[in-house]
Amino acid sequence: AQTVTQSQPEMSVQEAETVTLSCTYDTSESDYYLFWYKQPPSRQMILVIRQEAYKQQNATENRFSVNFQKAAKSFSLKISDSQLGDAAMYFCAYRSAEEYGNKLVFGAGTILRVKS
Amino acid sequence: KAGVTQTPRYLIKTRGQQVTLSCSPISGHRSVSWYQQTPGQGLQFLFEYFSETQRNKGNFPGRFSGRQFSNSRSEMNVSTLELGDSALYLCASSLRGQIMNTEAFFGQGTRLTVV
Repeated sequence: AQTVTQSQPEMSVQEAETVTLSCTYDTSESDYYLFWYKQPPSRQMILVIRQEAYKQQNATENRFSVNFQKAAKSFSLKISDSQLGDAAMYFCAYRSAEEYGNKLVFGAGTILRVKS
Repeated sequence: KAGVTQTPRYLIKTRGQQVTLSCSPISGHRSVSWYQQTPGQGLQFLFEYFSETQRNKGNFPGRFSGRQFSNSRSEMNVSTLELGDSALYLCASSLRGQIMNTEAFFGQGTRLTVV
C-alpha cells in the first residue's frame, strides 16, 4: 500500500517571502501522479499543482512549483511571493496510474500561516 | 459550470441512528469518490463509484455504504452511528473512471456530528 508523509505539521512565512512544504511518499509502483491540494477554512479542497511521475520536468503553476525527486520519493511544494490568501492547510496526495480509479492517498497535511 | 454540491452542509445525529449524505458531481462527471476527514486519522478514502458501480473501497466497516444513480449523483449511508463517525465527509468528482490527467474536484463537505 502507498503512504504519504508530511513531516511539517505547521509552517509560517512572511508575506512576499518563499516557503517550501515537504512531502515524501512510499510506493512500489513506477507510474503514478502526485498532487498538492489546498484546504482553506472554507473546507473546499482546491488543486494547487499536479505532477506525473513519468515526467522529469518539475511542474509549475504561477507562484507554485514543485521539486520532484523520483528516486528519493520526494515531492516538495515551493510557494514564491507568499500572499495572505495562501494561508491554508496543504495536503500532498498520491494517485496510482496502475490501479483503476481515482483513489487519492493523502498525507496528514501542513498548516501554512502567512504573516503580514 | 456548477461545482460539486454536497448536502446537507451540517448534520447532528444521535448514536445508533443512521444518516444519508448526498453528492451531486459536476455535470458530465461520472466518477464520484468519498473521503472521511478527521483530526486524528486525516483524510481517508471511503469508496469510489463509476457508472453506478462501486469500483474501489477503502478500509471501513460495512456500516459505511454508498450508491450512485444513473445521473451520477451519489449518496453515502452510515448506519448505527458511533461517536467516532463524527467527521467532515468530502465528495470528489472526476470526469472518467481512469484517464491521464483526470483532476478530482471536491465539494465543500458535510460536517457530521454524532452525539
